[in-house]
Parts: sequence; structure tokens; C-alpha cells
Amino acid sequence: GQNIDQPTEMTATEGAIVQINCTYQTSGFNGLFWYQQHAGEAPTFLSYNVLDGLEEKGRFSSFLSRSKGYSYLLLKELQMKDSASYLCAVRDGNYQLIWGAGTKLIIKP
Amino acid sequence: DAGITQSPRYKITETGRQVTLMCHQTWSHSYMFWYRQDLGHGLRLIYYSAAADITDKGEVPDGYVVSRSKTENFPLTLESATRSQTSVYFCASSAGESQETQYFGPGTRLLVL
Repeated sequence: GQNIDQPTEMTATEGAIVQINCTYQTSGFNGLFWYQQHAGEAPTFLSYNVLDGLEEKGRFSSFLSRSKGYSYLLLKELQMKDSASYLCAVRDGNYQLIWGAGTKLIIKP
Repeated sequence: DAGITQSPRYKITETGRQVTLMCHQTWSHSYMFWYRQDLGHGLRLIYYSAAADITDKGEVPDGYVVSRSKTENFPLTLESATRSQTSVYFCASSAGESQETQYFGPGTRLLVL
């Protein structure tokens, strides 16, 4: 079966750095997405990786290793507004998006 | 620019009733999707549509019906609501199938009593 694993919850301190991991097992691979979802709101797009390596976008970076079935989202200089759930999703060989259950990130002052 | 909208935002209904959730997008995106989101689960695809008059089942289609007579609208109908269909429903759209990003509507919170 297809599976996306990410930690259920993480806690970090304002101003610090946090890394949210995502491992996947899918039938085929056509890209990996990270979305941010604040409580009670819709998911919003953060990043997309299809090739191995690091993609940097401001305070957020996303890394992909296709051979290891692994990605991480790195958030730097954490702000209170970064408190949200972070969803990892993989597009499989049939171009269907398979979603992880999300990681709830709690930021403490 | 409205983007993608859903109505109603909140709905309470009773078991056995028919409920229709509306989704409208102004981007002329080809692809539209319906997901449900429940605690402890990732987003689960109910149905999707590649174009007007083309729809296909997702992971959890049972108990749901969709139609797409116009590109901009993609209504989701629960033919006979059950308590297990209490959930948050998200509509999404994308311009294409390959690496295109999906953009989500604000969601509809449905409670079935």
C-alpha cells in the first residue's frame, strides 16, 4: 500500500529552527508537496520538490531524497504565526496526491 | 478575485437527508477535487474531475455523487447522509495534472446528527 509518515506533533521555540520529516512509500513518484494549514483554515501551498536536493524559499526550505523516500521541511527564525499543521503530500505514478496526516507545530515564546 | 469558494461554510443535517456542497472557481482550472479531512487522517480524495463532464472516483467515493456540467462548478452531493460523513470537506482546483499545485477552498464543516 501507499504510505506517508510524518510526526504527529512537534514543539519549538520562537526564533529557533525546526525540521519536519516526511517519509513515503508510493507506487511511482511525480513530486512532493508541502502545505501549511492553520487551524480552521484551508491548506496553502509552501513548496514543491521533484528532483533531489534543497529548495530554499525565504525562511522555509524543503529537501528531497528520492532514493531514500525522504523529505524534510526546514523552518528558520520561527515566528508565532508559524504555529500550524504542515502537510506532506506525494504525487504517485498515477498523478494522484497521497497525503500524510500532517505535523502540528507548536511554537512557544 | 474570488479564486475558489465553497458554500455553505457550515452545515448541520440529519441522518438520511440529502446534502449538496457547492464549489466554484474563477480561474478556469481544468482539474477540480473534493477531499474530506478527519482528525488523525490525511486529506482523503473523494472524487476528482479532469474537465467538464469528466469525473472519476478517488479513495473514498462511497455515499457521494458529483457532477461537472460547467468548468467552474463542481458540486458534491451526499445522497443519504450518515454520521460517518461528519467531516470537513475541501474543494481544490489545479490548472493541470502533472506538477501543478492544488489550490484549496475555505472548506465546509458538515455535522450529521
